[in-house]
Amino acid sequence: TQLLEQSPQFLSIQEGENLTVYCNSSSVFSSLQWYRQEPGEGPVLLVTVVTGGEVKKLKRLTFQFGDARKDSSLHITAAQPGDTGLYLCAGARSGAGSYQLTFGKGTKLSVIP
Amino acid sequence: DAGITQSPRHKVTETGTPVTLRCHQTENHRYMYWYRQDPGHGLRLIHYSYGVKDTDKGEVSDGYSVSRSKTEDFLLTLESATSSQTSVYFCAISLNRLEGETQYFGPGTRLLVL
Repeated sequence: TQLLEQSPQFLSIQEGENLTVYCNSSSVFSSLQWYRQEPGEGPVLLVTVVTGGEVKKLKRLTFQFGDARKDSSLHITAAQPGDTGLYLCAGARSGAGSYQLTFGKGTKLSVIP
Repeated sequence: DAGITQSPRHKVTETGTPVTLRCHQTENHRYMYWYRQDPGHGLRLIHYSYGVKDTDKGEVSDGYSVSRSKTEDFLLTLESATSSQTSVYFCAISLNRLEGETQYFGPGTRLLVL
């Protein structure tokens, strides 16, 4: 069962364009993380959002957690080639003495110079 | 940098052979996780540990076992490797933070089962 749906799966844009990646679920999460992964490396944490409606900014990246804590979005302004990579969202649920993360399948972003 | 290393980084093995992957952390974190990453499936949890000798199954645990005899090491064993276990394996640790459960990942191990 895929609890987190990410869209789009693939995105190829020109340098300078804006884009939004979506992460949707029917489940409520205690928090949601966004990661970026480059080829041959492990995912690297970008941000954690915890409160419904929360907005966090990281330079040109804006992350939003839905009011009901079921969905999230990542918006990139004026994309750069260095933004190229696989973007993963992950929702956290508590249980069995530890939080477990459920990952979306990812959005592969290519920014063309 | 959460001080996570994985070994080996690459391995080629044959069907039916046992394989052990090692995850080592240097910062005494309690929680450790093993994931596999496959095209079309994303990251899926295999097993996790919440302390020495305390482990539990994840979403795709069949064919895998784990052990944690020391805080710093979490071992993943494929008792008898199959081609379906060809994948990239990631270890992760989590920090106890008020802002939810954030995990930090190692560099990964690429395993090819022929």
